[in-house]
Amino acid sequence: GAVVSQHPSRVICKSGTSVKIECRSLDFQATTMFWYRQFPKQSLMLMATSNEGSKATYEQGVEKDKFLINHASLTLSTLTVTSAHPEDSSFYICSASNGRNNEQFFGPGTRLTVL
Amino acid sequence: GENVEQHPSTLSVQEGDSAVIKCTYSDSASNYFPWYKQELGKRPQLIIDIRSNVGEKKDQRIAVTLNKTAKHFSLHITETQPEDSAVYFCAASGNRGGGNKLTFGTGTQLKVEL
Repeated sequence: GAVVSQHPSRVICKSGTSVKIECRSLDFQATTMFWYRQFPKQSLMLMATSNEGSKATYEQGVEKDKFLINHASLTLSTLTVTSAHPEDSSFYICSASNGRNNEQFFGPGTRLTVL
Repeated sequence: GENVEQHPSTLSVQEGDSAVIKCTYSDSASNYFPWYKQELGKRPQLIIDIRSNVGEKKDQRIAVTLNKTAKHFSLHITETQPEDSAVYFCAASGNRGGGNKLTFGTGTQLKVEL
């Protein structure tokens, strides 16, 4: 149980385009989903927290107009990187929580490369 | 907000030896402390966790200790094996209006040498 999927696993795009990443909880209802970014040889940095049906809460320094998060249902959250630039190239990982305890279940990650 | 520090950043041990990774946290309201193992290009994998009402927890070769007073917790791996080589992250979480968000340590690259 507690499986989280992410799609796509890898994406390469041109500078200035937008990219959408999907995060799904496959066998449980995720009351909260989290989006992280991880640069090479660095830790996971929380970008935003999203609850189903409400606006995401962004961490300090994360531009909400650039990283659009939608949590339309209890099993799906999406992250859209708008007008992507090479510095946005990173490993994006989502996680989901069922709200029963603090545990988060991580997706497999999406490797974004912006040319 | 929460700040988690982790040491060492790299750790090299001989196969069969023990490895210890230490973390400190700043927010006394944190009550959940997971440890993750991450292989290159993969998702973090939960290996053990501890909650603030417990001082120690063990699962086969892995153990975690928590000192709430000092606000530090440690991961202990005994009888290390080459497949233990990976990056390990500690994290801390509380429910101080933050939706139980996790704050991660900076990571430890563990290398187990034959």
